[in-house]
Amino acid sequence: AQSVTQLGSHVSVSEGALVLLRCNYSSSVPPYLFWYVQYPNQGLQLLLKYTSAATLVKGINGFEAEFKKSETSFHLTKPSAHMSDAAEYFCAVSLGSGGYQKVTFGTGTKLQVIP
Amino acid sequence: DTGVSQNPRHKITKRGQNVTFRCDPISEHNRLYWYRQTLGQGPEFLTYFQNEAQLEKSRLLSDRFSAERPKGSFSTLEIQRTEQGDSAMYLCASSPRTGTEAFFGQGTRLTVV
Repeated sequence: AQSVTQLGSHVSVSEGALVLLRCNYSSSVPPYLFWYVQYPNQGLQLLLKYTSAATLVKGINGFEAEFKKSETSFHLTKPSAHMSDAAEYFCAVSLGSGGYQKVTFGTGTKLQVIP
Repeated sequence: DTGVSQNPRHKITKRGQNVTFRCDPISEHNRLYWYRQTLGQGPEFLTYFQNEAQLEKSRLLSDRFSAERPKGSFSTLEIQRTEQGDSAMYLCASSPRTGTEAFFGQGTRLTVV
């Protein structure tokens, strides 16, 4: 079984500051890992994914994440926060084979960007 | 291609009534997933189809819930005898069989009063 733990249900950063959202995973097999963003009353948009290729993954809107097997982590970062980044972010894990399968989501981190 | 489409976007129903939601996946995506998201939580897996076959169902999917995907195209999720605890956002996603990501719809928000 796979699971993810997101540390911090709420994170506040100043506009222009570094964004760091933490995710640790548990998986008995090599996983696929994802970060999604969700705006109020909207569906989920994929920011980036790790599928066993490069460990540093670049996504949309300037976000990136690094897969660290030794730490079982997949933290999301962005060098400079923008007001439009305020949203809820979900880390997710799935089996790393056979194409995309059901994912297990974390409980989410709400990002607040302070002007 | 307009992406994954879900209808209705919002549904308010009285406790005990039946409701049905529809999901139209991206064309040619043969995998389709349903998730439920309650306030303040991440989405939880409910069920998934490959073509018309329902391959997996979560224990969250009680006997009051049923999902179908006739002909492997659109899917419906029906909830019978709704309860207040069914109030949630119901999300649908689709993916190609060999793809490594899924695309989500905007969701259907159900409120049971």
